Parts: sequence; C-alpha cells; structure tokens
Amino acid sequence: QVQLVESGGGLVKPGGSLRLSCAASGFTFSDYYMNWIRQAPGKGLEWLSYVSSTGNTLYYADSVKGRFTISRDTANNSLYLQMSSLRGDDTAVYFCARSPRWLVLSSSWYFDLWGRGTLITVSS
Amino acid sequence: SYVLTQPPSVSVAPGQTARITCGGNNIRSKRVHWYQQKPGQAPVLVIYDDSDRPSGIPDRFSGSNSGNTATLTISGVDAGDEADYSCQVWDSSSDHRGVFGGGTKLTVL
Repeated sequence: QVQLVESGGGLVKPGGSLRLSCAASGFTFSDYYMNWIRQAPGKGLEWLSYVSSTGNTLYYADSVKGRFTISRDTANNSLYLQMSSLRGDDTAVYFCARSPRWLVLSSSWYFDLWGRGTLITVSS
Repeated sequence: SYVLTQPPSVSVAPGQTARITCGGNNIRSKRVHWYQQKPGQAPVLVIYDDSDRPSGIPDRFSGSNSGNTATLTISGVDAGDEADYSCQVWDSSSDHRGVFGGGTKLTVL
C-alpha cells in the first residue's frame, strides 16, 4: 500500500526538542524528494522544508531555519524532522509529503502523496 | 514574499458548480496546484500544474489560471466534496519555498 505515516508527535515544553519520523511504503523512496508541511489549529498549510532524493539538497522556510533539521534514511525508507527551540507557534499538525524527483527539472513543485499527520503541542 | 489569497468559505447546493479562487500577483506566471483536505484525513492533490488531474480524480474537478487569479471548479457537487481546498505554488524567485493559500471551506448546502 502506497502510504506515508508520521510519528513522534506529542506535548513538549517551550524551548524543548522533538524528532518526527515519517515511514514511507509502497513506492520507491529514492524516486522522490520529501517535504515537511504543517498546519496550525484553524490555520492554512505551511511548507517547512524539503530534502532531495539523495539527501544533499535541503531547503527551509524562514520560520524554522536554524531550528529544524530535515534528513532522510533511504535504506529504511524514512524521513525525519529534528525540531529544537520549540515555541508556542510551532503547535500544529505536521505532515510529510512527497514530490516526484523529476519536478526539479521543471518550474513546478507539488505534493502528490501526504500522510495523515502528527500533532505537536508546545505548551508549559 | 509571495502571497496567495483564498475566500474563507464557499457554499453551493448539491448538483451545482463550485468555483474556488486563488489570487496572487501575476499568478498566471506560476503553476498552481490544489489540495482537498477532509477532517482527520491526509490532504489529497486534486489538480496540478493549473489544470491537470492526477489519476483517480474525477473529471468533475478542473482548474484554470489567468491573470492574477487561479480557479478550482467542481461541477455536479455532492456531499462528498465538502472539504477544505487549498491552492499552492512554488516560489523560486528569491529562495526556494512552497506557498499555500489560506484555504477555502466548501460547504454543500
């Protein structure tokens, strides 16, 4: 079954750290760039970061640059997001999503498969 | 930074046509993608590259992009289409980043 499953969410105190995981199955993981996207309560979607299929190219939104680190383990078909210096406005559902590798040759970028997300609450 | 603007809500009777807009400066120069999101479920790509449909998406879903407005059109709306719909572009003008609209809640009356 083609799917992405996030895990690792929960309650964390301001200033704390957390590591999210995303398990991919049913497709060739190395054919895809991988992204993290979040949605705060009652808000729209916010793209956070992507990692290339090789893991060598990384991009971050300004809101998380320097605090969050994206990585992937192709051998284990897994994507990660290491989050530190967490703040209240990081409270959100965090989704992983894939983008076909060949899109990097085009001017287009979209997310053709998403997970259901994992909730992170930052509160004391 | 690039901004996408969507109406918070759109309502339509069953069987009618819903049109959800996504405004952005010269958006026609970008490729617009649309996602459907139902509560507790993973978002689903319903339109990519302005007007293409992924496999499995009914042809009741269509898209267009012109000037400063992109539009998602859903014809013959039924209760199963009730969801939040978000538009998205990729902004590579200054730095590589994804940009989403604020989302539109489609209500089927």
